[in-house]
Amino acid sequence: QITLKESGPTLVKPTQTLTLTCTFSGFSLTTSGVGVGWIRQAPGKALEWLAVIYWDDDKRYNPSLGTRLTITKDTSKNQVVLTMTNMDPVDTATYYCAHRLITMVRGAKFYWFDPWGQGTLVTVSS
Amino acid sequence: DIQMTQSPSSLSASVGDRVTITCRASQTIGNYLNWYQQKPGKAPKVLIYATSTLQSGVPSRFSGSGSRTDFTLTISSVQPEDFATYYCQQSYNSDTFGQGTKLEIK
Repeated sequence: QITLKESGPTLVKPTQTLTLTCTFSGFSLTTSGVGVGWIRQAPGKALEWLAVIYWDDDKRYNPSLGTRLTITKDTSKNQVVLTMTNMDPVDTATYYCAHRLITMVRGAKFYWFDPWGQGTLVTVSS
Repeated sequence: DIQMTQSPSSLSASVGDRVTITCRASQTIGNYLNWYQQKPGKAPKVLIYATSTLQSGVPSRFSGSGSRTDFTLTISSVQPEDFATYYCQQSYNSDTFGQGTKLEIK
């Protein structure tokens, strides 16, 4: 059974750097095709993809967030860490991490997020 | 960046109704389209991946179709547990989610 759980501060001040940790079980980030992503959701708003890291250390970021994001993995601890710099009140959101597996479907490679962690609410306020 | 536009943003339906939600991509994404269901206070769950493949355990009343830029999620007969918010997501070029469609009880 795959499980993921997000952890980190619940409150950060504007301009500070947010560091979130996703601790997972039931899979390994050394297995070919496996990835872990981060997605956030501001209160009452839509989902917004942030970043994803793969078993081979390939990393992808949401271009709209520019260089604010960094995603890393620690395979020995089964953890993925997301850092977001220069936090602003508009970054107040529930932050989710999720598993993804590159899967062959009808002869092509597809991927989606499944399952997700329970999410952690981060509030940005002075 | 690929933009995903869902319609409608919300809809009301009665139990037993047939419901269709549309998702349009700003450029072709092949069949790289997934659908998620989110209930209040909970994390999203994948319903359909690769446009039309039902995730294990998802009831067969859910179905997906489409290709290139236009996609649909259909619930053939809405059940009480289906009232939730639905999101499409493209995975053709990085990831983008639609703005969501809230399905409410009429």
